[in-house]
Amino acid sequence: NAGVTQTPKFRVLKTGQSMTLLCAQDMNHEYMYWYRQDPGMGLRLIHYSVGEGTTAKGEVPDGYNVSRLKKQNFLLGLESAAPSQTSVYFCASSQVKGRELKTDTQYFGPGTRLTVL
Amino acid sequence: QKEVEQDPGPLSVPEGAIVSLNCTYSNSAFQYFMWYRQYSRKGPELLMYTYSSGNKEDGRFTAQVDKSSKYISLFIRDSQPSDSATYLCAIERTDKLIFGTGTRLQVFP
Repeated sequence: NAGVTQTPKFRVLKTGQSMTLLCAQDMNHEYMYWYRQDPGMGLRLIHYSVGEGTTAKGEVPDGYNVSRLKKQNFLLGLESAAPSQTSVYFCASSQVKGRELKTDTQYFGPGTRLTVL
Repeated sequence: QKEVEQDPGPLSVPEGAIVSLNCTYSNSAFQYFMWYRQYSRKGPELLMYTYSSGNKEDGRFTAQVDKSSKYISLFIRDSQPSDSATYLCAIERTDKLIFGTGTRLQVFP
């Protein structure tokens, strides 16, 4: 199993350009998440999804959109990139909690380093 | 007030030292507490989790929760250079995790 994969690994954009980050997981997880990680700020949740076709806002959703058309994929879009969106973006997935799974163990991808000039 | 607070470090210790990493949290209703480890330029990975109060041990690692003080700790015994990483505490809140900012640990030979 590949786990959680992210494409691309690196990207440089100019202000105002758009792009889509792709996250894929092969663990049949229901939940998927997009975070950004900035120095001194830790991991901050952008958007998340609790199942195919659903999305919800996290802590810092402004300037981003997401889609979960297939269970295994979660896309993060930047419609008009700004320098403040320079960051490392991580995708994560987790299983639905049940009787045997008591915690929200999230599995992270390797990250996408985005620079907006 | 942030829901989870963590000293960013960096923390630099010699090989073999006992390391103590700590977080405080604000909401006494939290019950699940986790520690993630993140190597440089990698994604975080779950190291340990604990439920409610008490200790949990896994090899050289011990996670401790003190709900009365709203304090969580990770102890690393006999630290190794391979333990050099950023350690993030996390607390579960309604199907989401709230992360601390992470403490960068450097173990030198």
